[in-house]
Amino acid sequence: GQQLNQSPQSMFIQEGEDVSMNCTSSSIFNTWLWYKQDPGEGPVLLIALYKAGELTSNGRLTAQFGITRKDSFLNISASIPSDVGIYFCAGQMNYGGSQGNLIFGKGTKLSVKP
Amino acid sequence: GAGVSQSPRYKVAKRGQDVALRCDPISGHVSLFWYQQALGQGPEFLTYFQNEAQLDKSGLPSDRFFAERPEGSVSTLKIQRTQQEDSAVYLCASGEGFHQPQHFGDGTRLSIL
Repeated sequence: GQQLNQSPQSMFIQEGEDVSMNCTSSSIFNTWLWYKQDPGEGPVLLIALYKAGELTSNGRLTAQFGITRKDSFLNISASIPSDVGIYFCAGQMNYGGSQGNLIFGKGTKLSVKP
Repeated sequence: GAGVSQSPRYKVAKRGQDVALRCDPISGHVSLFWYQQALGQGPEFLTYFQNEAQLDKSGLPSDRFFAERPEGSVSTLKIQRTQQEDSAVYLCASGEGFHQPQHFGDGTRLSIL
């Protein structure tokens, strides 16, 4: 099935560092969402974006909906150990017969630097 | 809290057996989605319900997969004659309405031997 291009695939963080990841698509989306998934758990919604150009923050997290509606990025500032996990972007369209199902990226795995 | 609840959390079945996976959405949520997540991948859409109506089943991989939500609340995903490639985590998500944010359960990890 279709998946978004999410990068980087994995990265190591040191406490206090800022982290950035992004997602691109060949399709236009009306909504972009960012989820975090910990091992053995379901994805947890972090941020939802509804308008092209929108910049939204949730604590140390900031995400933007790209102007072209084909991309989004997520920044985490001043990372802490509990930020480790897998981050997924997801796009949602409300045209062309779509019923609102999400199309996900492959995820960005955040680990602590050894 | 009253989040999305899925059961069982783990299911092991022999190839050829039928399995049934249950999803209890957040109370009052109209939309319900099923996704399949293979190891190391993002979730992939299977099917969508609005109340009791199954409006989209385009993501179901074969006719061995069947989902229902008869009273517009609890949903069951059934897989008949399971095969090894059905091994995955099956996630359920619910939302307040059309294009509202989806909230996920912790999934059922299905292993087919």
